[in-house]
Amino acid sequence: AQSVAQPEDQVNVAEGNPLTVKCTYSVSGNPYLFWYVQYPNRGLQFLLKYITGDNLVKGSYGFEAEFNKSQTSFHLKKPSALVSDSALYFCAVRVPSGSARQLTFGSGTQLTVLP
Amino acid sequence: GAGVSQSPSNKVTEKGKDVELRCDPISGHTALYWYRQSLGQGLEFLIYFQGNSAPDKSGLPSDRFSAERTGGSVSTLTIQRTQQEDSAVYLCASSKTSGRASNTGELFFGEGSRLTVL
Repeated sequence: AQSVAQPEDQVNVAEGNPLTVKCTYSVSGNPYLFWYVQYPNRGLQFLLKYITGDNLVKGSYGFEAEFNKSQTSFHLKKPSALVSDSALYFCAVRVPSGSARQLTFGSGTQLTVLP
Repeated sequence: GAGVSQSPSNKVTEKGKDVELRCDPISGHTALYWYRQSLGQGLEFLIYFQGNSAPDKSGLPSDRFSAERTGGSVSTLTIQRTQQEDSAVYLCASSKTSGRASNTGELFFGEGSRLTVL
């Protein structure tokens, strides 16, 4: 069975500082990995995905994530945080042979960027 | 429409009542999903529809939950005899297809229907 762990329920960072939101996964085989963001009272929005190729993936709003196969991680990063980045972030995983129905989401990490 | 539309955005109901939640997916998207998001929890898969195929109902938590999709477009999630533990945000998502080769998993979500059962 596949699973996703987001070990931090809450991450606080000062505006202008780099941010990291952690995600580790467990699947049989190669993973497809995703990050979604949820702003207050809104649905989830797709940020970025890793399918294959370059381990560093760049996405929307200046976010990027690095796929690390040996550590089974896919941490979300941004060099300089903005107050507007404050939101709930979800990591998700599935295997290539599966369908989007088989996406497994983490429990989410609340990011707060302090002015 | 331009995005996934859900209604109502908020629903307060009394325990034991039935509720219906509606989802209008992005035009042309053949796959439609319902998820449940409880406070402090991740997204819990409920049900998915793909074209004219039989829906995958494996995530429905009890037989009080059902969903249908008419004409391959609008979907309605029905919860009968609501319980307090049904209180959550119900999210609908759609994607172009659920085929293995062409869909790498990007879902487009609606803003959700917040259900409160008193």
